[in-house]
Amino acid sequence: SQTIHQWPATLVQPVGSPLSLECTVEGTSNPNLYWYRQAAGRGLQLLFYSVGIGQISSEVPQNLSASRPQDRQFILSSKKLLLSDSGFYLCAWSVQYGNTEAFFGQGTRLTVV
Amino acid sequence: DAKTTQPNSMESNEEEPVHLPCNHSTISGTDYIHWYRQLPSQGPEYVIHGLTSNVNNRMASLAIAEDRKSSTLILHRATLRDAAVYYCILRDPRGSTLGRLYFGRGTQLTVWP
Repeated sequence: SQTIHQWPATLVQPVGSPLSLECTVEGTSNPNLYWYRQAAGRGLQLLFYSVGIGQISSEVPQNLSASRPQDRQFILSSKKLLLSDSGFYLCAWSVQYGNTEAFFGQGTRLTVV
Repeated sequence: DAKTTQPNSMESNEEEPVHLPCNHSTISGTDYIHWYRQLPSQGPEYVIHGLTSNVNNRMASLAIAEDRKSSTLILHRATLRDAAVYYCILRDPRGSTLGRLYFGRGTQLTVWP
């Protein structure tokens, strides 16, 4: 069966520090991969979308970047965190070109101080 | 991205049916209607999806209007564990958005014991 792993679960980082959040998927090949952010009391905002290795689409301009070095690995990064980067970050995957559901990880709660 | 409109909040008593409405007047012929729910501090969970016909699964039922401009998620007997934010989303796996999921604010469902 397919599983999605996302870590760490919580993270407290100072302003100006770098960030690296990792997401891996097991049990499937060539998935669509997504990074979402949810600010406190807000809805989910799609940040990045990937259909394959090295293929990243950015949905909104921001202080973050994403990379997909392997088929089932998706990384969210920042060189210098801002206070506004705080939030709940979620990784998700879905089958390509199929109308099935998306599966979400358990999320990383990032607090920038 | 296609738009949906949902009430901000709804309430129900335990063991009563719940009907969560969603309007999507600009839906295209290739958009599927998806429902997800999110419990506090967790990633969204898939509930159900459909295209034209009503759908049933172990979690809920989805009733789709004949003109497809609205739909209703039906929880047949609400439990306290159903208290969550419910999102109605239009997803087109082969259109310009390539199946990306865009979340709105959703409906906060409160279930009273």
